[in-house]
Formats: sequence, structure tokens, C-alpha cells
Amino acid sequence: QQQVKQSPQSLIVQKGGISIINCAYENTAFDYFPWYQQFPGKGPALLIAIRPDVSEKKEGRFTISFNKSAKQFSLHIMDSQPGDSATYFCAASMRGGSYIPTFGRGTSLIVHP
Amino acid sequence: DGGITQSPKYLFRKEGQNVTLSCEQNLNHDAMYWYRQDPGQGLRLIYYSQIVNDFQKGDIAEGYSVSREKKESFPLTVTSAQKNPTAFYLCASSISGTYGYTFGSGTRLTVV
Repeated sequence: QQQVKQSPQSLIVQKGGISIINCAYENTAFDYFPWYQQFPGKGPALLIAIRPDVSEKKEGRFTISFNKSAKQFSLHIMDSQPGDSATYFCAASMRGGSYIPTFGRGTSLIVHP
Repeated sequence: DGGITQSPKYLFRKEGQNVTLSCEQNLNHDAMYWYRQDPGQGLRLIYYSQIVNDFQKGDIAEGYSVSREKKESFPLTVTSAQKNPTAFYLCASSISGTYGYTFGSGTRLTVV
């Protein structure tokens, strides 16, 4: 049973455009929602994270939007750059689950120059 | 520099052989984890350890074994019982009771 569903699987965006990746979760006990960025041949690195008591968090060009009632959250990359080309994973964690994240299946983002 | 070191970066083995992947961290983290990554499958948890000399099975532990004799080290053995071992393996660590994860750079295992 997939507890965190991520879409799309792949995304192609032109330089300067907005990249949007969506995730949906099922377990309302999740209380921490991070996004990880992974470049080819490297391990994922934490990009940005949000807790369910806020609806939006912004760090530079990256924004998480969170909809608690819909059990959905999304990553928006403004002014997308070729250097943003990577695989992005959403995840969800909870204290009752030993803080271990449940990951989405990932989105491969390509930003064309 | 503090971090997680996985070695080797690439590993080739013949079918039927056991192979051990190394993971060392100098972050003083209590908890360590092993994940398997396959295209389109995301990150799947193999084993994790939250304290020395103790570890727990993850979602796909069959065909794998681990040990945690030292806080800094969490090696993963891929046994001959693992039916499809070719994959990218990632080690991670965290401070127990917190959400933050640090990943290593991974080992790509190819079994021929």
C-alpha cells in the first residue's frame, strides 16, 4: 500500500518556467513533510520541509504548499533553471513511526535551457 | 567534514555471491538506515538501527543482513538469497527522535 503518492513521474519545463510536483498522503498522523532533491549518482539531500500547522513555506525559489484537509502538498519551483534538473522526492514522517519517512516514488525534472 | 561515506561507489559481483556494502558516518548520529532505489520505485527501506547492537527490518529485508557493532558503522550484506540485487543502495543517518536525514552518495551494485 503506497502511503504517499507522487505525481508526475517526469516533468519537462523550459528555463524560467514554474515546476510543480504534487504529493498526496493517506495517514493523518503524518506531521512532517520534507522534499528531497537528488542529482544523478548522488544521495538525496533535504531541500525544504513543512509541518501541517502552516499552509505554505518558501525558501528562495522553492515553495511548499500544504492542504491539510485534502491531504495534499506540492513543491513549486519558480524561475526553474537547468541546474534544478534532478529527481525530487516528497516524504511524510510521524513521531509514532520512529520518525522514519515514507517516500513518494520520485519525479524526474528536466529544465531545458 | 562531517558526513556519510559509502564505499565502494560501484560494485560488480557474480550471481550467487554475497557482497557487503560499507557505510560509515562521523556525524555522531544514533540512527542509521539502508535504502534501495530502483527507477520509478522511490526509496524502499531495507533495515534500520536506532542504537548499537540493535536493528529492525524495513519493508524489503528479505535477502539482506546487517550488523551494528559500532555507532559509526552500519554495513549491509546482500546475500545470494536476494533475487534481484542489482540496484542503487543508499545509507542514511539521523539523530534519534528527530526528522532530519543525511544520505550518503550511494553504492551502485551490479550483479552479473
